[in-house]
Amino acid sequence: DVKVTQSSRYLVKRTGEKVFLECVQDMDHENMFWYRQDPGLGLRLIYFSYDVKMKEKGDIPEGYSVSREKKERFSLILESASTNQTSMYLCASNPDRVETQYFGPGTRLLVL
Amino acid sequence: AQKITQTQPGMFVQEKEAVTLDCTYDTSDQSYGLFWYKQPSSGEMIFLIYQGSYDEQNATEGRYSLNFQKARKSANLVISASQLGDSAMYFCAMRDISGNQFYFGTGTSLTVIP
Repeated sequence: DVKVTQSSRYLVKRTGEKVFLECVQDMDHENMFWYRQDPGLGLRLIYFSYDVKMKEKGDIPEGYSVSREKKERFSLILESASTNQTSMYLCASNPDRVETQYFGPGTRLLVL
Repeated sequence: AQKITQTQPGMFVQEKEAVTLDCTYDTSDQSYGLFWYKQPSSGEMIFLIYQGSYDEQNATEGRYSLNFQKARKSANLVISASQLGDSAMYFCAMRDISGNQFYFGTGTSLTVIP
């Protein structure tokens, strides 16, 4: 079974803190994605990566950066957390051009 | 421009009845993929069903079927014989021609009533 894990299920941070969300997949997938999910807005793509050290901006990259130093790990970084970044963050991965994405369990981030 | 539209924010269905969740999409690509995911209250996204743009038959997976109408650009999910465990958010998604970008709708919240 494909497994995508995220470092935390719940996270509480203060405004201005630097926040790291980690995602690891164990199936040697080329592609990895970070989404945020907000009620009424669905899933919106923040960044994706199709190879180590490669990244592409999604629809809402502002305020975020990413890092992919190893194929299995894709990190999302909030350089200076703000309250409007309170959200559910979902990581996903898939092999190149294969039908579906596999999702992690999600991280619910609260920024106070 | 929004690529995936789900017009039903919430739906109710009686247990054991069938329900259709609507999804329309917008693309000029000839090759694309359409997906449905289920998200229970626990938060994980569960893949349900896939339809390729060149597939002539509608996809089916157990109680799930995808009613694919290419000319109308619609990909509705049909759940037959609803169960209480089907209560969840359902998302329609499209993968573009590159195979690397996925676009999601805003979701439909389905509640199954005993």
